[in-house]
Amino acid sequence: GAGVSQSPSNKVTEKGKDVELRCDPISGHTALYWYRQSLGQGLEFLIYFQGNSAPDKSGLPSDRFSAERTGGSVSTLTIQRTQQEDSAVYLCASSLVGQHYEQYFGPGTRLTVT
Amino acid sequence: QKEVEQDPGPLSVPEGAIVSLNCTYSNSAFQYFMWYRQYSRKGPELLMYTYSSGNKEDGRFTAQVDKSSKYISLFIRDSQPSDSATYLCAIGPGPKTSYDKVIFGPGTSLSVIP
Repeated sequence: GAGVSQSPSNKVTEKGKDVELRCDPISGHTALYWYRQSLGQGLEFLIYFQGNSAPDKSGLPSDRFSAERTGGSVSTLTIQRTQQEDSAVYLCASSLVGQHYEQYFGPGTRLTVT
Repeated sequence: QKEVEQDPGPLSVPEGAIVSLNCTYSNSAFQYFMWYRQYSRKGPELLMYTYSSGNKEDGRFTAQVDKSSKYISLFIRDSQPSDSATYLCAIGPGPKTSYDKVIFGPGTSLSVIP
């Protein structure tokens, strides 16, 4: 079946602009996770969704970052007033609820802020 | 102390060698231990997970957990050039606990030289 998809695959934006990153999880996966991976760094947790609600937003680095999920499926991560330090690969993963140990990742969105 | 520590490498081995990749962790409450493989410019791919202590084997890959020393290992037998990637360890909470995020190590970069 289809895996996790993310769009766009690459995004170059100017400092100060807003960006939206999209994640389409595996069908039936009610748990959805966003991570950030900077060059040479590990995966930094951003936010977790169970269905449409986000019980854990602890990883969002600032109030410029927000995420939503509608219909228990597609999720959008929005970064407002982008800064150069936001440049990274943004990865989305999904899993069956309660199976956080078996996450399936998308290919990521490579964000470059100039 | 970081929750999960992993030698970033890079690690370079000849084809056919046995590879040992290791992580240490600090929180004894975690009970799921995962290994992900990440090729360049791709999302992480789950290799295997183990629950609590013990070994798990899948083809050329063996995952080992020693909870007493908070040490997890991944062994790759008969390594192939196609195994060249970054390997991420991750730890997660056990069942019957309220959700807590999965913690990823920074990854070890492996090169298998033909």
